[in-house]
Amino acid sequence: QQKVQQSPESLSVPEGGMASLNCTSSDRNFQYFWWYRQHSGEGPKALMSIFSDGDKKEGRFTAHLNKASLHVSLHIRDSQPSDSALYFCAARAGNSGTYQRFGTGTKLQVVP
Amino acid sequence: GGIITQTPKFLIGQEGQKLTLKCQQNFNHDTMYWYRQDSGKGLRLIYYSITENDLQKGDLSEGYDASREKKSSFSLTVTSAQKNEMAVFLCASSDNQDTQYFGPGTRLLVL
Repeated sequence: QQKVQQSPESLSVPEGGMASLNCTSSDRNFQYFWWYRQHSGEGPKALMSIFSDGDKKEGRFTAHLNKASLHVSLHIRDSQPSDSALYFCAARAGNSGTYQRFGTGTKLQVVP
Repeated sequence: GGIITQTPKFLIGQEGQKLTLKCQQNFNHDTMYWYRQDSGKGLRLIYYSITENDLQKGDLSEGYDASREKKSSFSLTVTSAQKNEMAVFLCASSDNQDTQYFGPGTRLLVL
């Protein structure tokens, strides 16, 4: 069973627009979340982590976590063609010895 | 900063063959990981290691062996390659359970 679900599967936004990606965990123990981005032919790179309720902003990227609903979102403001990539959400529990579980990803295309 | 190197970049094997993939990191991270990436299935953890000579099974360990020879290197062996198998194998490292840093991947094709 997939413990981390992402939506939508794919998304197309115009250049300069806002992209919104969603992620939900089905395991209540998962309290720590990450967003990774993978360009074609490369390995994933971490965008940001979020561990507390509320918003976390890094440049054009804002993550929002609601621990009660185990939902985290990623919003990309002023989207650029270079943002076109596969975006993964990852989550893990707080106790030691656990590891991150990844979602199946959202494919984002930014159209010039 | 640091870097993760994976060799080879491309690997073509025959059905039933034993194939070995290698990974090196210079972050001085304690924890290293091997993932398999298939189209539409995200990343699935095969093995991870929290220190030299340690091995922990992930969700997809059957059909694979791993070896953490030293802190900076982590190898993965496909024990018997399956015909028509095609996947990308990604190596990563992290400090404890924190943010992971990935290599560029090894692309496997089994004829």
